[in-house]
Amino acid sequence: NAGVTQTPKFQVLKTGQSMTLQCAQDMNHEYMSWYRQDPGMGLRLIHYSVGAGITDQGEVPNGYNVSRSTTEDFPLRLLSAAPSQTSVYFCASSYYGRGTDTQYFGPGTRLTVL
Amino acid sequence: SQQGEEDPQALSIQEGENATMNCSYKTSINNLQWYRQNSGRGLVHLILIRSNEREKHSGRLRVTLDTSKKSSSLLITASRAADTASYFCATDPQIYGNNRLAFGKGNQVVVIP
Repeated sequence: NAGVTQTPKFQVLKTGQSMTLQCAQDMNHEYMSWYRQDPGMGLRLIHYSVGAGITDQGEVPNGYNVSRSTTEDFPLRLLSAAPSQTSVYFCASSYYGRGTDTQYFGPGTRLTVL
Repeated sequence: SQQGEEDPQALSIQEGENATMNCSYKTSINNLQWYRQNSGRGLVHLILIRSNEREKHSGRLRVTLDTSKKSSSLLITASRAADTASYFCATDPQIYGNNRLAFGKGNQVVVIP
């Protein structure tokens, strides 16, 4: 199994641009989520999904959209990038539809917004 | 909001020594987990301890949980250079309908060869 994969690894955007961060898992996990990690802030939950067709907001959802059309994929869309969205983004998944079980993380996407 | 709080924030030790990290939390929990993050990588799950457990071992790792003090400790014995990483605790708070872990800010450990 490849586990949780994320693309791209690095991305530079200009303010106002939009883009989609890709996340895929091949473990048939029901639960998938997106976190951002900023220095001194730990991990903050952006959006999560307990199964295909179901998404919900986390702590810091503003400026981000998600959808879950398949069990495997959970893309994160930045609608109009802002410098405050400069961060490292992690996708995570867990087997059951619970975000409190063991989480499996992807390698991350480092995003810089100029 | 972040519930887990690790202490100390940064630790530097010699290879072969033991490293101990602590995590405190505010509300009652169902379980507490520890994760490791190597530089530039994603988090990797290390160990999960449930609220009715007091101690758990996994290889060179020992985790304790004191629910009366709302705290947990992670001990790495006989540390190796490869243990250099950030370590995060994450709690599953006993909040109705909660479906997310609360991560602490991380504890950086440097093991000097």
